[in-house]
Amino acid sequence: DIQMTQSPSSLSASVGDRVTITCRASQSIRNNLNWYQQKPGIAPKVLIFAASSLQSGVPSRFSGNRSENDFSLTIMDLQPDDSASYYCQQSYSTPFTFGPGTKVHLK
Amino acid sequence: QVTLRESGPALVKPTQTLTLTCTFSGFSLNTSGMCVSWVRQSPGKAPEWLALIDWDDDKYYSTSLKTRLTISKDASKNQVVLTMTNLDPVDTGTYYCARNRFSSNWLPLDSWGQGTLVTVSS
Repeated sequence: DIQMTQSPSSLSASVGDRVTITCRASQSIRNNLNWYQQKPGIAPKVLIFAASSLQSGVPSRFSGNRSENDFSLTIMDLQPDDSASYYCQQSYSTPFTFGPGTKVHLK
Repeated sequence: QVTLRESGPALVKPTQTLTLTCTFSGFSLNTSGMCVSWVRQSPGKAPEWLALIDWDDDKYYSTSLKTRLTISKDASKNQVVLTMTNLDPVDTGTYYCARNRFSSNWLPLDSWGQGTLVTVSS
């Protein structure tokens, strides 16, 4: 199975900050990497697919990037509504696997 | 509008078999490229993908759970069923069904049900 790692496991930032979360795959997954946001008690919601494509309806302050097997999710101009957990997921091959997650807290 | 809804027992005893049903609308599993996945999440943990069934009735499973899982579909009823055998308390969590698609590559899980909480306890 392809292993996904994420860092940091949690972060605290202020409204208006820029935050970056990174994700690494244990082998090449090309650009088959998706980012999800999850709030307590609610199902995950896809933000970014194919490493850098913004899902319809998602604010443009969210962006994704890829460098080989390293991926990043950047949130510009952090908003209170962005307080959530964020997960990466590879869809290169089954079994699909998720990263362990990053909790974003607002100061 | 795509919607999915999970249904099944809230409480299951250890060693029993769990049967969950996903009822969906807004798409058809008879359409090329359409798929439904099951994902679970233990409290405080990351989501864990369990299984997928596609429009062509191909099935894919979690490596660690494949001996205990069976996924099936009834496309005429817009339903996907997941069974998991030999339940253990560590299987406690929220179980989601989600739609994804295949178009040259696997696409993300773009629509999710609200999830159903399953507790395994005697």
